[in-house]
Amino acid sequence: GQNIDQPTEMTATEGAIVQINCTYQTSGFNGLFWYQQHAGEAPTFLSYNVLDGLEEKGRFSSFLSRSKGYSYLLLKELQMKDSASYLCAVTRGGGSYIPTFGRGTSLIVHP
Amino acid sequence: NAGVTQTPKFRVLKTGQSMTLLCAQDMNHEYMYWYRQDPGMGLRLIHYSVGEGTTAKGEVPDGYNVSRLKKQNFLLGLESAAPSQTSVYFCASRPPGQEKLFFGSGTQLSVL
Repeated sequence: GQNIDQPTEMTATEGAIVQINCTYQTSGFNGLFWYQQHAGEAPTFLSYNVLDGLEEKGRFSSFLSRSKGYSYLLLKELQMKDSASYLCAVTRGGGSYIPTFGRGTSLIVHP
Repeated sequence: NAGVTQTPKFRVLKTGQSMTLLCAQDMNHEYMYWYRQDPGMGLRLIHYSVGEGTTAKGEVPDGYNVSRLKKQNFLLGLESAAPSQTSVYFCASRPPGQEKLFFGSGTQLSVL
């Protein structure tokens, strides 16, 4: 089975740094996604981590610890447009790599 | 290159009516997925397909049927709509060997 946990809502100030955590318990774990979803829109891909460690892409970074079943998404220099839901999703091996999503974290960035 | 296209974008049904949601992708992707998204529930997998002519059940398949007669199309059917099927439906696709999903823009369905 799979259990993915992330905070329901977070707030932060423009220009600040925010860390969104995701914990999972997944048998046959393969990798972990982060997606961004603005209200009324489709999810858009941010990152996919398979190996332990930090991957940086501009203002966004994603970290994975396979042994701890833990990931975080780090957003730096927050902008108002970063207000969105952030979805954590895990994939299992075995060929089909079906992503299973957590419930998402709604991030509100205020001036 | 349109990517993943879902039709219709909005639909209102009465309880008991039937309808089909169409997902079309022009990227020659093997894998296609149908998710529903409800407030506070995240994206939940309804059905998926790993290739033309094949389909499989996901996490919440009851009340839905699917078909993948052509590689580029993945249809989601509701035979007898219920208010519990009011949701936003997303289709996604991906090529083999790549994990990133490409999503359609979604279909907002209301069942009264």
